[in-house]
This record gives sequence, C-alpha cells and structure tokens, in this order.
Amino acid sequence: NAGVTQTPKFQVLKTGQSMTLQCAQDMNHNSMYWYRQDPGMGLRLIYYSASEGTTDKGEVPNGYNVSRLNKREFSLRLESAAPSQTSVYFCASRTGQSGIGYTFGSGTRLTVV
Amino acid sequence: DAKTTQPNSMESNEEEPVHLPCNHSTISGTDYIHWYRQLPSQGPEYVIHGLTSNVNNRMASLAIAEDRKSSTLILHRATLRDAAVYYCILRVGTYKYIFGTGTRLKVLA
Repeated sequence: NAGVTQTPKFQVLKTGQSMTLQCAQDMNHNSMYWYRQDPGMGLRLIYYSASEGTTDKGEVPNGYNVSRLNKREFSLRLESAAPSQTSVYFCASRTGQSGIGYTFGSGTRLTVV
Repeated sequence: DAKTTQPNSMESNEEEPVHLPCNHSTISGTDYIHWYRQLPSQGPEYVIHGLTSNVNNRMASLAIAEDRKSSTLILHRATLRDAAVYYCILRVGTYKYIFGTGTRLKVLA
C-alpha cells in the first residue's frame, strides 16, 4: 500500500549510543518531515526537507542530524542518544503544493536508558 | 509566527454533533487551515482543510470565520471511534507546519 514507512517501530538505546531512524515514502512527494511527540504532548518539528537535496531545522533540532538520501528517503540520526530524546518519532511527507496535507508514518517508539 | 489555540479537551455524547474550535488570529491571507486527528498509538491522519469557504467531506465539515481568524471542525454525529486528539495547524514558513497541543475529544457512550 502507498504511504510512509518507518523503521524500526521500537528501539531501546543506552545513553551515548547512536542510531538512525529510517523513513521512506512511495507517493512521489517533494517534502518530508521528522516530528517528535513526547507523552501527552503535541508534535514538535525536528527537521524538514522541502525537496531532494535540501534540509532545514525545525523547532527542536538539537541533538539530531538528517539526510535526504533521495526523493523517497529521509533519515534521522541521533549521534549520542540522551534520555531526553525518549519519544515517539513520526515521519511525514507531502507534495509541497499549497493546501495539500501530510501523510504520516506509524511512528518509531524510542527509549533511551 | 502563526499560532493556533485550541481547548485542551472536550466531551461529547455518542451520536451528537461536536464542534471543535480553533483560534488562528495571526493567519496570513494565503494560508490554508488544516485539521488532523490522532487516534491512540497511531500517527496523525488528515481530516479536512480549507482556505476561505466552508468545506465538507465524508469525515467532517470545516466552518471558517469570515475574517479567517478562527475555524470550527464539525463532526456531525460523534462515534466512539472519533475519540482522538484533534489538531488545527497552520503553515509558519514556505514548507513548515507547526502542530499545537490539540484538543482531546472524549466521546461518551
């Protein structure tokens, strides 16, 4: 089925470890986004990529890096995980046209101990 | 930056209409108003969007104030499956959309 696929779905890391969250979309969307959602909170934008080859910071970029590998894939990397990064991470994509909304992935639940 | 304000929570009885308000007094003239909802343990899903005129789809209706500084998402007959957090969001940059904390809708059987 068409949509946004995130891997892994669950992950436990030790403080200081690194990992990359993967996201891929098969809808030929131009823009891709990474959000985090802490318990009981709304979504906060970490980074986004307006188009292939570009990335920009969102509200909470510290501690993260991103790569827009190609039009389909947008990865999020934690270089040195901290307990404050325990959260659910959502990837989303959209066409970029005005008024056209997001399609979200099902999320990655990350725990840093 | 554009910002939205929503009540933290609302309750509705099953089979009754629900009106979820959103204030977006800083909206710019060309920004669309989007509504999403998030069911428990799922990613947000699109509900509806609009620019100036009221909009209807199979899920809901969107009523937009004439001055565009507020909008209301209308669920015509709430069901237990509509229990979710509803987000009203605006664009704050060319490609950047910011979510607020949303309204948690509780539907009573």
